[in-house]
Amino acid sequence: DQQVKQNSPSLSVQEGRISILNCDYTNSMFDYFLWYKKYPAEGPTFLISISSIKDKNEDGRFTVFLNKSAKHLSLHIVPSQPGDSAVYFCAPGTDKLIFGTGTRLQVFP
Amino acid sequence: DTGVSQDPRHKITKRGQNVTFRCDPISEHNRLYWYRQTLGQGPEFLTYFQNEAQLEKSRLLSDRFSAERPKGSFSTLEIQRTEQGDSAMYLCASSFPAGGPGSEQFFGPGTRLTVL
Repeated sequence: DQQVKQNSPSLSVQEGRISILNCDYTNSMFDYFLWYKKYPAEGPTFLISISSIKDKNEDGRFTVFLNKSAKHLSLHIVPSQPGDSAVYFCAPGTDKLIFGTGTRLQVFP
Repeated sequence: DTGVSQDPRHKITKRGQNVTFRCDPISEHNRLYWYRQTLGQGPEFLTYFQNEAQLEKSRLLSDRFSAERPKGSFSTLEIQRTEQGDSAMYLCASSFPAGGPGSEQFFGPGTRLTVL
């Protein structure tokens, strides 16, 4: 069973615009959520996180929103830059992370 | 560079051979994790250690797989009698003890295993 779903396998956004990446989960016991970015042939890089006691966390151009009742979180990147082009994973969990299948973001000039 | 390191970066082996991978975590971190990633999927949890104690193993970790962290520092992941289905990227991560901000897992570059 897929506990974490990222239903958009890819997203293409123009430079300067907002990128919105979505993630749905099924386990209401998750209390900590992380987003990772991955470039080809590299390990995932931690981007931003949010605790279940919050509904928003912001770090520079990156904002994560959590809707616990809908079991949904989203990552907003604004403004998007070409260097943001990568695969993005949401990963709820604490000891062991449960990764989604990822969304490939392409930011074009 | 004080990040997580993994060795080797690539390994090509023939079916039936044994392989061993090494992970060196960030020195202050006492938690160490192993994940596996196959094409088109996110990383899947395999096992994790706190210091030298192996605290959890996924059912993905068959009896051909064994992981150790003998002195609570580096860790090794051994796969015996490799099968073609073992071909994947093996990722190591380390962290402070889990529990919210400050316990994020930091990943190494991975070891790409190809079983012929």
